[in-house]
Amino acid sequence: GQQLNQSPQSMFIQEGEDVSMNCTSSSIFNTWLWYKQDPGEGPVLLIALYKAGELTSNGRLTAQFGITRKDSFLNISASIPSDVGIYFCAGHLPNAGGTSYGKLTFGQGTILTVHP
Amino acid sequence: SQTIHQWPATLVQPVGSPLSLECTVEGTSNPNLYWYRQAAGRGLQLLFYSVGIGQISSEVPQNLSASRPQDRQFILSSKKLLLSDSGFYLCAWSRGAEQYFGPGTRLTVT
Repeated sequence: GQQLNQSPQSMFIQEGEDVSMNCTSSSIFNTWLWYKQDPGEGPVLLIALYKAGELTSNGRLTAQFGITRKDSFLNISASIPSDVGIYFCAGHLPNAGGTSYGKLTFGQGTILTVHP
Repeated sequence: SQTIHQWPATLVQPVGSPLSLECTVEGTSNPNLYWYRQAAGRGLQLLFYSVGIGQISSEVPQNLSASRPQDRQFILSSKKLLLSDSGFYLCAWSRGAEQYFGPGTRLTVT
């Protein structure tokens, strides 16, 4: 089945530094999503990408949908303490008859720690 | 706007006791609904999904079951809890690729 490799597994950075994380897949996706999860809460959708090569920003966050449709990256610029949390990538499979409609494949997450 | 609710927020149950977790969605109709489990703060494991009332698909054989008695209500149940059922349970809804998660239920089986 589909597998997503997300890296790095964890990051320890100083406030103000930029952050980069990525996901790669053995198969293609038609949508890439990036989520952030704060401790004890549900994941929150940060950015959704729908086209290969698409580059989308949301404030200090920038994400790109890889040209091959098998990878995506997320950058956070000028990190602040509230950026702490777990970041997940997720890919959506093309709908081939309805059985996979809406199902996502998630990466294992990147734990981000920001030191003031 | 759409909102998703889960309750209870936390639950401590003894081994062998029954379980019922509830999820409701407001502000949308005929959503796809999902139950996930997250262990140790990492990795989301899809347990069940539903594309309509009474339609449940199971992703992983286990001690749990799901039901969708109403369009915007999704219930996760167990007849007898195991220690391995402990974890953080998340409900989500979607009408396309984007999924939106509830606040979660922390279940501890003792």
